[in-house]
Amino acid sequence: DTGVSQDPRHKITKRGQNVTFRCDPISEHNRLYWYRQTLGQGPEFLTYFQNEAQLEKSRLLSDRFSAERPKGSFSTLEIQRTEQGDSAMYLCASSKGTGRVTEAFFGQGTRLTVV
Amino acid sequence: KNEVEQSPQNLTAQEGEFITINCSYSVGISALHWLQQHPGGGIVSLFMLSSGKKKHGRLIATINIQEKHSSLHITASHPRDSAVYICAAVYYGGSQGNLIFGKGTKLSVKP
Repeated sequence: DTGVSQDPRHKITKRGQNVTFRCDPISEHNRLYWYRQTLGQGPEFLTYFQNEAQLEKSRLLSDRFSAERPKGSFSTLEIQRTEQGDSAMYLCASSKGTGRVTEAFFGQGTRLTVV
Repeated sequence: KNEVEQSPQNLTAQEGEFITINCSYSVGISALHWLQQHPGGGIVSLFMLSSGKKKHGRLIATINIQEKHSSLHITASHPRDSAVYICAAVYYGGSQGNLIFGKGTKLSVKP
């Protein structure tokens, strides 16, 4: 197992374009999380899946953002009509278990630059 | 407001020095994570703890639930320890995965 994998690592897009990021969690992990990190700040929670169910979405996740995990394995995060304020590092993490707190393992992130 | 506060924001040390990074939080938590982030973005989980102390190699993490405070110590620091160290809390009443992150402490260890 190679850990949590994110693709692409970097994305430059023009304002108004749509972008999609992919996250492949550790294979037996049932939980998957997306976070966003802007320069000089800690990551902020965006959304959380348990298996294929999206259990929680942050208010940060505007209507232009959508996340899916159709088969309970990989997940995609799509941003429509990108804005310059969407420029950030998008981090994915996964964990295993059903308890209240389980240790999360993070991917390398996708750095988005909107020009 | 930031519910998880870290100090210092930046820290420069000489190789071999003992380093302490502090994290305080405002309400009760279920667990606290210490994370390491290298340039380029990838985050590595160092510790998850809800009480007491954990040790892994030269890294030690402690937590005082009553004082709502945690520390990360690095003994015999090395330039490869240079990174951003982030603490993240899971609050009582918060949901799984909804970690509240500090802004990070940027550590630079000089040879």
